[in-house]
Amino acid sequence: SAVISQKPSRDICQRGTSLTIQCQVDSQVTMMFWYRQQPGQSLTLIATANQGSEATYESGFVIDKFPISRPNLTFSTLTVSNMSPEDSSIYLCSVKGRTANTEAFFGQGTRLTVV
Amino acid sequence: ELKVEQNPLFLSMQEGKNYTIYCNYSTTSDRLYWYRQDPGKSLESLFVLLSNGAVKQEGRLMASLDTKARLSTLHITAAVHDLSATYFCAVEGTSGSRLTFGEGTQLTVNP
Repeated sequence: SAVISQKPSRDICQRGTSLTIQCQVDSQVTMMFWYRQQPGQSLTLIATANQGSEATYESGFVIDKFPISRPNLTFSTLTVSNMSPEDSSIYLCSVKGRTANTEAFFGQGTRLTVV
Repeated sequence: ELKVEQNPLFLSMQEGKNYTIYCNYSTTSDRLYWYRQDPGKSLESLFVLLSNGAVKQEGRLMASLDTKARLSTLHITAAVHDLSATYFCAVEGTSGSRLTFGEGTQLTVNP
């Protein structure tokens, strides 16, 4: 299994500001993902964080709003830019191991409230 | 596009009763997950099902997978209040990467 450290665990931010969320894994992993869970909703994939190249975004999510970095195999950041109250959600980092035959693990999530 | 449907979305049951949550998915999958989520918390992994006919049990929860029917079930036996939470199924596509989640089932177990 993988141990994932996600920071911050929660934050309250002013509208118009940006927040960067960090995801650190204790082992090298192939795949890293960022999900969003809006209040009362299920989880939706924002993007796949690719090491050394631009993230792959899902429909409805754009790089200008959710820039993602992945400088190495164990670390990624997600920035929520120019926040509005609609961005209030739980953001979760997820990882999968180097072999295809491994399961996915989730971080503890970041609960973001935009006021 | 992979679609995952759970039902029911809301389930209120009495302690001691049995019930089943269903998870249907639309295309072939490599792996199916069941998660539990308490309010304001992250996901707790319950089961990972890999092959047709797989059955796993942990305490009062039992999960099964029928890949031919593209159906997984989460069966609750003799429910207790501590099982109150939201339960998600998630399906991993054949590319072996991203998960697609069901809508979640909000379970409330009443004394």
